[in-house]
Amino acid sequence: DQQVKQNSPSLSVQEGRISILNCDYTNSMFDYFLWYKKYPAEGPTFLISISSIKDKNEDGRFTVFLNKSAKHLSLHIVPSQPGDSAVYFCAARRIIQGAQKLVFGQGTRLTINP
Amino acid sequence: DVKVTQSSRYLVKRTGEKVFLECVQDMDHENMFWYRQDPGLGLRLIYFSYDVKMKEKGDIPEGYSVSREKKERFSLILESASTNQTSMYLCASRPRLVRSYTDTQYFGPGTRLTVL
Repeated sequence: DQQVKQNSPSLSVQEGRISILNCDYTNSMFDYFLWYKKYPAEGPTFLISISSIKDKNEDGRFTVFLNKSAKHLSLHIVPSQPGDSAVYFCAARRIIQGAQKLVFGQGTRLTINP
Repeated sequence: DVKVTQSSRYLVKRTGEKVFLECVQDMDHENMFWYRQDPGLGLRLIYFSYDVKMKEKGDIPEGYSVSREKKERFSLILESASTNQTSMYLCASRPRLVRSYTDTQYFGPGTRLTVL
């Protein structure tokens, strides 16, 4: 049962344009959402996060939007740069028996074309 | 600068072998995690540990065990490796949660394990 879904395995965007990565979730108990970025041969690194009580969080070129009624979040990157080419994972936090754990989506491979 | 290291980048083992994957963090983090990453499935949690000598099952613990004898080291053990355990294994650590916005995990570079 995939509780966090990224339905687009890949996305190709021209340099300078906006990249929009999407993520859907099914569990209303998630209280926090995060985006991680992964380059080949490296571990994922934290990019940006948002609390479930917010609908937007912005950090430089990166903005995450949360639509709780639709159980949907998106990551906007503008303007897109070649160094943004990577796999992006959406993650949602849940609390089970007092433990805080992350549930990850399948990932979306973003390619920025010059 | 935070650092999570994993003992091997690539590993090839035979079916039935006992396999040890080691992870070390130098950030004095209490929490440590083991994930596997497979195409189309993302990262799935195998086991995690709140602190030394503590361990909890994740979402896919079958066929795995773990050991946390020291705070900085978290080992994943495949008692009898099988071909369906061929995967990328990622270790992560995180400090004991203080505030929500600090809830990020720091990942190692991963170990690509192939079981023949």
